Amino acid sequence: AQTIHQWPVAEIKAVGSPLSLGCTIKGKSSPNLYWYWQATGGTLQQLFYSITVGQVESVVQLNLSASRPKDDQFILSTEKLLLSHSGFYLCAWSLGQGANTEVFFGKGTRLTVV
Amino acid sequence: QQQVRQSPQSLTVWEGETAILNCSYEDSTFNYFPWYQQFPGEGPALLISIRSVSDKKEDGRFTIFFNKREKKLSLHITDSQPGDSATYFCAASGSSGSWQLIFGSGTQLTVMP
Repeated sequence: AQTIHQWPVAEIKAVGSPLSLGCTIKGKSSPNLYWYWQATGGTLQQLFYSITVGQVESVVQLNLSASRPKDDQFILSTEKLLLSHSGFYLCAWSLGQGANTEVFFGKGTRLTVV
Repeated sequence: QQQVRQSPQSLTVWEGETAILNCSYEDSTFNYFPWYQQFPGEGPALLISIRSVSDKKEDGRFTIFFNKREKKLSLHITDSQPGDSATYFCAASGSSGSWQLIFGSGTQLTVMP
C-alpha cells in the first residue's frame, strides 16, 4: 500500500490564480512532513516542514503557504500564482527527531503556470 | 550559498563499469548524508545513507566512501546497469535539532549498454 499520496498529479494554472496541493500519509503515526520544490532539471529546495498538527515552519519565502490540518495531511497553497511557481512539488515524511533521519518522498505534483 | 556540491554534473559509463559520483560540503555540523536516486517524472528515492561516524557504507552494488576531514564523500556504483541511469542527489543534514535536508545539484548518470 502506498504510504504517501500526493494530489493532483499535475496541474496547469493561470498566473494570478489560486493553488492548493495536497499530501496524505498513511500508516505512520505523527510523521514529520515536508514540502520541497524542484525546478525542471534542478535541485530540491525545502519549502516547509511540520512536526505536529497545526504547526508549520517556513524555510524559504516563495509566496507560498502551508498548513497541516490533520496528523496525516499537509497542504501547500497560494492565493496568486506566479510564473516562477512552475515546477515539481514534492511532499516527504520522516519519523524521529530532526531531518537527519530517513526522509521519504512522494511521487510529486507537476505544476505549470501559464 | 551552495552548502552541498556535486560533481560531475553528468557522467556516462559503459555497462559493467564503476560509476563514481562525488559530493562535498561546507558545514562541519552536517552528520547525516543520504543519496537519492531520481528517475524523470518521479520523486527521489532514498538509495543509501551514511553518518559521519562511519567512513564507509555498502549496500549491494552501492558504496559510500566518506572523508570527514576533507568534507567529501563519494558514491560508487559497481557493475553499472542501464537501469541505473538516473539523476543522483547527495544531501546533508545536521544535528537532531535541524529540520533541513540540503540537496546538491545532482549528477545525471547514463549507463550505456
